[in-house]
Amino acid sequence: DAGVTQSPTHLIKTRGQQVTLRCSPKSGHDTVSWYQQALGQGPQFIFQYYEEEERQRGNFPDRFSGHQFPNYSSELNVNALLLGDSALYLCASRKADTQYFGPGTRLTVL
Amino acid sequence: QKEVEQDPGPLSVPEGAIVSLNCTYSNSAFQYFMWYRQYSRKGPELLMYTYSSGNKEDGRFTAQVDKSSKYISLFIRDSQPSDSATYLCAMSARGGATNKLIFGTGTLLAVQP
Repeated sequence: DAGVTQSPTHLIKTRGQQVTLRCSPKSGHDTVSWYQQALGQGPQFIFQYYEEEERQRGNFPDRFSGHQFPNYSSELNVNALLLGDSALYLCASRKADTQYFGPGTRLTVL
Repeated sequence: QKEVEQDPGPLSVPEGAIVSLNCTYSNSAFQYFMWYRQYSRKGPELLMYTYSSGNKEDGRFTAQVDKSSKYISLFIRDSQPSDSATYLCAMSARGGATNKLIFGTGTLLAVQP
């Protein structure tokens, strides 16, 4: 049984560019959440998708958007990248009351 | 004030020691409490999950929740060098479809052989 998978593993972008990150949840999981983890900090909740709709959103600007597909996989899009967007982006899928995290995508903005 | 406070460490202990990791929180609505372990440049791995107050034991790990004091702990017995990682506490107010997790900053643990 594959766990939560994310792609790409890491990428480098320049300020002002746009980026798309991808996540496939664990088998049987239907809810996907995205978190941003800056260096030396705990993960910060960005938003959560369930039944292809954004159900809850954290304190992140509209530059951060997402999508969930019928197979429960999800994308995180970030527009107009800033240097401060450099972080590890984590995807988590949910079953019952626990969340299981993927390995993350490390984004560096130059 | 942050909703969840966690001492960032680093905490260095000799192999075989008992490790105590702690978090305090301010939101009395939190009911679900988790501990995650995160190795360098990896995603967090769920270690322990507790609902409401009480203790839970799993092998060398024991999680304690004291809701009256808004204080949670993770104890690691017979610590091993492989336990060296960052330990994150996380909590949420609700289960179900809207359980946004609030994390502490993480405590970096180093177990010396």
